[in-house]
Amino acid sequence: DADVTQTPRNRITKTGKRIMLECSQTKGHDRMYWYRQDPGLGLRLIYYSFDVKDINKGEISDGYSVSRQAQAKFSLSLESAIPNQTALYFCATSAGTGDPDTQYFGPGTRLTVL
Amino acid sequence: EDKVVQSPLSLVVHEGDTVTLNCSYEVTNFRSLLWYKQEKKAPTFLFMLTSSGIEKKSGRLSSILDKKELFSILNITATQTGDSAIYLCAGTSYGKLTFGQGTILTVHP
Repeated sequence: DADVTQTPRNRITKTGKRIMLECSQTKGHDRMYWYRQDPGLGLRLIYYSFDVKDINKGEISDGYSVSRQAQAKFSLSLESAIPNQTALYFCATSAGTGDPDTQYFGPGTRLTVL
Repeated sequence: EDKVVQSPLSLVVHEGDTVTLNCSYEVTNFRSLLWYKQEKKAPTFLFMLTSSGIEKKSGRLSSILDKKELFSILNITATQTGDSAIYLCAGTSYGKLTFGQGTILTVHP
């Protein structure tokens, strides 16, 4: 089984709809992250959480919100989707101690907003 | 604002060629430099570099960091078609990664 899973893997929605992307991990890591990837721009950090009670904005948090329901679960919401949020979204995890820098990525969710 | 720049943005070579991918960074409170390979979907971890001048090696891939000049290189020798991918580098600071744009490597048979 994959250590970091994301659901759904693909989603097509319409402008104005509320969307939730979910991430679960079995690595036992404390830290979780959400990124989006656009062609030619690499991965950009949306939100991150270092433990269940910790939520931090990343580089591009506008239009997004997150919820850390448990150590293993971190959800990303788009309250009112717009077309420029069409992108590939990745969840990632890292350990809080030992090697906190190396992040491990889920398979990604391809989101299309029409 | 932290910044990581990769070059070239794309590269086309033939099997057997050697390639060098570049990554320069300006990251406040820099801690380490990571390289990832992205094929179909998820980036997969290749190397983490924390000390200058110490080469890390895995098979035909190697990487080195220069903390004085603020750059890293990733070398791939005797390239194979399976090396075709996007190669991403990222600088870390306080547990966060700042990624470069990526280098798209295409290896033709």
